[in-house]
Amino acid sequence: NAGVTQTPKFQVLKTGQSMTLQCAQDMNHEYMSWYRQDPGMGLRLIHYSVGAGITDQGEVPNGYNVSRSTTEDFPLRLLSAAPSQTSVYFCASNHRDASYEQYFGPGTRLTVT
Amino acid sequence: AQSVTQLGSHVSVSEGALVLLRCNYSSSVPPYLFWYVQYPNQGLQLLLKYTSAATLVKGINGFEAEFKKSETSFHLTKPSAHMSDAAEYFCAVGAYTGGFKTIFGAGTRLFVKA
Repeated sequence: NAGVTQTPKFQVLKTGQSMTLQCAQDMNHEYMSWYRQDPGMGLRLIHYSVGAGITDQGEVPNGYNVSRSTTEDFPLRLLSAAPSQTSVYFCASNHRDASYEQYFGPGTRLTVT
Repeated sequence: AQSVTQLGSHVSVSEGALVLLRCNYSSSVPPYLFWYVQYPNQGLQLLLKYTSAATLVKGINGFEAEFKKSETSFHLTKPSAHMSDAAEYFCAVGAYTGGFKTIFGAGTRLFVKA
């Protein structure tokens, strides 16, 4: 199993540009989540999904969109990038139960200039 | 609602010394508690988890944590630090409250001195 994969690893955007961060998992996990990691702030939940066709907002959803058309994929879209979105983004997946640990991708380091 | 507080953003120990990383949580329902480790430029990986089976939980790499309900704590310990333990450690609480959420603490960076 490849686990959770994310592309790209690095990205530089100009303010106002849009882009999609890709996330895929091959473990047949029901739940998938997107987090951003900023120094001193831990991981903050952006959006999550409990199954195909179902998404919900996390702690910091503004400026991001998600969709979940398949169990495997959970892309994160930045609609109009802002410098405040400079961060490291992690995708995670887990089985449908809070007792199950999350499996994380390697992350995407995004810089918005 | 759930929350997690990690005491100390940085902890420094000497190689061979005890490692103690502190975590306090708040949860309105019985929580599931996790410790994750993040090595530089990598994603997070699970060290150990508490799911109500036993209050003392053993994890990988010699780490363990004890769930203390009366103190709402889940501190992470290791008897003897190794240079390879230098990393950032995150405590997290998960609970099903109408929807699955995991809340992470701000993290504690562990430095190990030779």
